[in-house]
Amino acid sequence: GDSVTQMEGPVTLSEEAFLTINCTYTATGYPSLFWYVQYPGEGLQLLLKATKADDKGSNKGFEATYRKETTSFHLEKGSVQVSDSAVYFCALVTLEGSQGNLIFGKGTKLSVKP
Amino acid sequence: NAGVTQTPKFQVLKTGQSMTLQCAQDMNHEYMSWYRQDPGMGLRLIHYSVGAGITDQGEVPNGYNVSRSTTEDFPLRLLSAAPSQTSVYFCASSYSVNRPNTEAFFGQGTRLTVV
Repeated sequence: GDSVTQMEGPVTLSEEAFLTINCTYTATGYPSLFWYVQYPGEGLQLLLKATKADDKGSNKGFEATYRKETTSFHLEKGSVQVSDSAVYFCALVTLEGSQGNLIFGKGTKLSVKP
Repeated sequence: NAGVTQTPKFQVLKTGQSMTLQCAQDMNHEYMSWYRQDPGMGLRLIHYSVGAGITDQGEVPNGYNVSRSTTEDFPLRLLSAAPSQTSVYFCASSYSVNRPNTEAFFGQGTRLTVV
């Protein structure tokens, strides 16, 4: 079945460091890919998305590129801030394998120290 | 805009008790779903609904029931609570299951402890 694998955390960085969180997927059909973020004590919210190969999603300084050849959607940010501390989830949707439901990775907790 | 509203935020149950977690959305979304979040497991789909009167099982449906009598509401019922159901529960909604590239909106979660 459809699945998402993302790097295990936790990840601890200093402010202004470069961030990469790896995400790879297995899917039937052509998935839409997402990164969701969960701030402490809150629900998930969409950070960015990409719906076809070579698309780049971006928001709040974060970027991720849909790479069909490597089945990857790695999240990057050039300079993290303390306010970026959160749990990040990679997710996919297909109409075939997941029947329109979001399939999530296990999440990566990011802590940014001043 | 209220978005997706879940109640209660916290709940402690004794083993064998039943309860209903409420979820309501005011965005006229067709699609609604329930997930549970456990440490190291990410979010796992319990049940989902593609419209009023239509529900289906997700990855981990055992011990839970759902119904969808209106577009707005999608309650999750625990029939006989067990300690293994201790988790954080999230309700989510989106425009339509046939528009998979649209954003899903999540409630703030219900933290349930079964003792």
